[in-house]
Amino acid sequence: GESVGLHLPTLSVQEGDNSIINCAYSNSASDYFIWYKQESGKGPQFIIDIRSNMDKRQGQRVTVLLNKTVKHLSLQIAATQPGDSAVYFCAEKRTGGSYIPTFGRGTSLIVHP
Amino acid sequence: EADIYQTPRYLVIGTGKKITLECSQTMGHDKMYWYQQDPGMELHLIHYSYGVNSTEKGDLSSESTVSRIRTEHFPLTLESARPSHTSQYLCASSESKTPWGVEQYFGPGTRLTVT
Repeated sequence: GESVGLHLPTLSVQEGDNSIINCAYSNSASDYFIWYKQESGKGPQFIIDIRSNMDKRQGQRVTVLLNKTVKHLSLQIAATQPGDSAVYFCAEKRTGGSYIPTFGRGTSLIVHP
Repeated sequence: EADIYQTPRYLVIGTGKKITLECSQTMGHDKMYWYQQDPGMELHLIHYSYGVNSTEKGDLSSESTVSRIRTEHFPLTLESARPSHTSQYLCASSESKTPWGVEQYFGPGTRLTVT
């Protein structure tokens, strides 16, 4: 079936390192992707998005890369800080579908001081 | 900070009780959503609304109902709570500014335990 999912359930890094969180999707008709961050006890928070006509988008300390050939999405966090510790979700929206994104399973990022 | 609120934040209730989870947003967003989420797991859409007097069921059958009488308010009701309803419930909203943007703003969630 079609799905949005993450390769690794948990990622541990040292403070100051760069983090890379990966996401695979299987629907080639997806045209929009979003990364969310969810801290413990809170709702998900929008981080960055990317449209399918782009392969890279940068924000503040974050970069999203999209590889449509292999249907892969990644979130790179530069100089990871303890405050980045959270669960990260990718979500996709499908072309011509509803505006409601489909969420994949989260990856837990643990940043060690 | 997003202006979307949920009450209560935590609720422990017995089987068979009727409960209503409240969600309000002050951003004037036309679209609102309810998700169910188990810890660390993906979000499952249970209801959504395009606007006032519009409600639709999502992918997950949750035996709940919603209403959208006012733009800012989107309560979720469980007529008869069961232990299988134990989960976190997240409310979200978004606006239709662009055909691409589906950025959702989430509330803090209600953690429900049914005993």
